[in-house]
Amino acid sequence: NAGVTQTPKFRILKIGQSMTLQCTQDMNHNYMYWYRQDPGMGLKLIYYSVGAGITDKGEVPNGYNVSRSTTEDFPLRLELAAPSQTSVYFCASSYTLEQETQYFGPGTRLLVL
Amino acid sequence: DQQVKQNSPSLSVQEGRISILNCDYTNSMFDYFLWYKKYPAEGPTFLISISSIKDKNEDGRFTVFLNKSAKHLSLHIVPSQPGDSAVYFCAARVTGTASKLTFGTGTRLQVTL
Repeated sequence: NAGVTQTPKFRILKIGQSMTLQCTQDMNHNYMYWYRQDPGMGLKLIYYSVGAGITDKGEVPNGYNVSRSTTEDFPLRLELAAPSQTSVYFCASSYTLEQETQYFGPGTRLLVL
Repeated sequence: DQQVKQNSPSLSVQEGRISILNCDYTNSMFDYFLWYKKYPAEGPTFLISISSIKDKNEDGRFTVFLNKSAKHLSLHIVPSQPGDSAVYFCAARVTGTASKLTFGTGTRLQVTL
């Protein structure tokens, strides 16, 4: 049981490039989330999903897209990378709406130059 | 607009003493509060939570206190151990909002020998 896994661990992008951050969970959780954490700041919700085929915007969705074709996977797509997207990205999952615990992956550090 | 605030970026405590981490919130709709612990290069891990119907929740060395009138919560760690050295995030949510969490900026706790 690996929990929540994220790839890659670290990536450098040039301005204008695009990439997909991968997130997979093996706990059969319905709910999945993407957060970003900027230096000295708390985690901010980018997008979330309540099940396969259902996604919705969080607090800071601009510049990102998501899809949820399976229960296990929740990739985050960056189109036209900008320096403002330099951050650490965390994926998380939880079983139900009421379960208090969100399980986090180890994060992806992204640097846009 | 920072709805969850942790005004102390860092705290240093001697091993064996009590660590008190504070968190303030402004949104009166928040009804569930959580503390997460984060080690470097890892994702946050759930530590303890409290519902707004309670004013105290205890789990081993960790106790969370909630003062709804002051919109303030605190995490007490007794006794503090070197392994507790980490960044602690306070988070809050409104029940029924797909478990979307609002995080504070974190407090870095260092437990010294």
